Amino acid sequence: DTAVSQTPKYLVTQMGNDKSIKCEQNLGHDTMYWYKQDSKKFLKIMFSYNNKELIINETVPNRFSPKSPDKAHLNLHINSLELGDSAVYFCASSASGTMREQYFGPGTRLTVT
Amino acid sequence: RKEVEQDPGPFNVPEGATVAFNCTYSNSASQSFFWYRQDCRKEPKLLMSVYSSGNEDGRFTAQLNRASQYISLLIRDSKLSDSATYLCVVSWGKLQFGAGTQVVVTP
Repeated sequence: DTAVSQTPKYLVTQMGNDKSIKCEQNLGHDTMYWYKQDSKKFLKIMFSYNNKELIINETVPNRFSPKSPDKAHLNLHINSLELGDSAVYFCASSASGTMREQYFGPGTRLTVT
Repeated sequence: RKEVEQDPGPFNVPEGATVAFNCTYSNSASQSFFWYRQDCRKEPKLLMSVYSSGNEDGRFTAQLNRASQYISLLIRDSKLSDSATYLCVVSWGKLQFGAGTQVVVTP
């Protein structure tokens, strides 16, 4: 059973397009995250939701909009894709709050051409 | 200064040897500490939490030094399968990942 799943695994698209990445966790966790890992392998937090409420919103362009329909799902929508958005996007979840261990999804490799 | 810093390596380690590396953090209010491992083109996976008194999990030992603001990871009897990037994570309410230390275990 997959604990944290993401779709799609690979996404290749052109500049200017809008795309979404979906994430689901079946761990019963309250907190979910989106991370971006760029070509230099640095993992940077983008957003965090706790019980469907946004609790962390790092300096991310407003072309990125997270949506949490329920506490088991956290989706990421990206408008007007740019070359610099090419990266691996990881979803993660943890039990309540940001001080607990996190479990990551397999990642979505986004390539913008 | 970065909030969480790690030596990027690579640490080239003969199979069976011991390797240790540190992670320094800048925020003295940090409360939670973790080590994750990340294999090439894979997601980070929790290796172990780091407790104040230090803790051990098989061949892996983690230590926390609050006075000097660093955590450490020691791997004994290195296996080829230990080759990975080791990420430290520090949380003070805000989570911060280090950039990772690459370990390469050679036969």
